[in-house]
Amino acid sequence: AQSVTQLGSHVSVSEGALVLLRCNYSSSVPPYLFWYVQYPNQGLQLLLKYTSAATLVKGINGFEAEFKKSETSFHLTKPSAHMSDAAEYFCAVSGGTGANSKLTFGKGITLSVRP
Amino acid sequence: SQTIHQWPATLVQPVGSPLSLECTVEGTSNPNLYWYRQAAGRGLQLLFYSVGIGQISSEVPQNLSASRPQDRQFILSSKKLLLSDSGFYLCAWSAGYSNTGELFFGEGSRLTVL
Repeated sequence: AQSVTQLGSHVSVSEGALVLLRCNYSSSVPPYLFWYVQYPNQGLQLLLKYTSAATLVKGINGFEAEFKKSETSFHLTKPSAHMSDAAEYFCAVSGGTGANSKLTFGKGITLSVRP
Repeated sequence: SQTIHQWPATLVQPVGSPLSLECTVEGTSNPNLYWYRQAAGRGLQLLFYSVGIGQISSEVPQNLSASRPQDRQFILSSKKLLLSDSGFYLCAWSAGYSNTGELFFGEGSRLTVL
């Protein structure tokens, strides 16, 4: 079984500041990890994914995440926040095949960007 | 390329009325299909998933049902809506051969039950 913990429900940063959204996972098998972004009244869009290749993963819109097995973490970062980054962010994990390939989502974090 | 569409985008229904939300996927065959619900402040809840025509798995007991009459069509239904059915419903698909489980989401359907 897999699970994801996203601590806190809301993060606020100033425009131009570092964005750091935390995600810790639990998995009984080597995990696949994802970050999705959701803008208001829209579906979820894939930001980036870790599928056991490079541990530092680069995604769209300048975001990146690093898989750290020892810390069971997959934190999302962006060096400089932009107003358009304001959205809800979901971390998700899956592992294995068949039924285990279903994604398990965290509760999401709302990112606000202050001018 | 693959696309996913769901409709209607917005729906306002009285308590006790029926519901039908439809989702279709194009550009792929034998997808796994999913229905999720987002209630305010409660994250994503997996309602149903399907690995093939007529094969539906329910994740939580509730007032809703799902059907998959065709390979790339997934329908969410209710005979009598409750106030608690209000929320944002998302359809998603993953490749049937995928071992990562990566999901691709539709645009969502906002249901308000009054």
